Amino acid sequence: AQSVTQPDIHITVSEGASLELRCNYSYGATPYLFWYVQSPGQGLQLLLKYFSGDTLVQGIKGFEAEFKRSQSSFNLRKPSVHWSDAAEYFCAVVDGGATNKLIFGTGTLLAVQP
Amino acid sequence: NAGVTQTPKFQVLKTGQSMTLQCAQDMNHNSMYWYRQDPGMGLRLIYYSASEGTTDKGEVPNGYNVSRLNKREFSLRLESAAPSQTSVYFCASSAPGGSYEQYFGPGTRLTVT
Repeated sequence: AQSVTQPDIHITVSEGASLELRCNYSYGATPYLFWYVQSPGQGLQLLLKYFSGDTLVQGIKGFEAEFKRSQSSFNLRKPSVHWSDAAEYFCAVVDGGATNKLIFGTGTLLAVQP
Repeated sequence: NAGVTQTPKFQVLKTGQSMTLQCAQDMNHNSMYWYRQDPGMGLRLIYYSASEGTTDKGEVPNGYNVSRLNKREFSLRLESAAPSQTSVYFCASSAPGGSYEQYFGPGTRLTVT
């Protein structure tokens, strides 16, 4: 079965520092991958997605992610973090089959220090 | 265009009480989903509806029932609430055609005492 692992439960970075959030997936074929962000008390918002093609994908709010098949990874990056980026981030993969089900990782909570 | 809406935003129930969480989308999406979110566990799928008239169990369906009332609305019912159902519940929808992107509602925070 497909699965997603986010090994970092909690990360703290300083404002202006770079950020990388890790995501590893388990999937036999080419995966369809997503990163979502959840601000406190809010629903989930899509940051970016990868289906095929260029392995470096750009998203909203200055985020990007790189798909690396050899490492089964889809890490999220941002060159300079803003205080407003403090949130929980979820990686997800489409479950195979005829439905559009997503399998989510357990999330990484990002704190931003001034 | 409101997207995905959920009611209520907050609810407190006593053990054994029942309630229905409402979800509606105005994006003409075929597929709709109910998730629960618990600390350290991410989002887990409770039930989903691939299209109007169909529903299927997800990862954690026990204690829940769903109704796909029409294309817009997908409700989640707790017949006899238990403290283990204390959670934040999210409804989501996705468009047909293989986009796979899901759009989420703002959530319902449910506490069962």
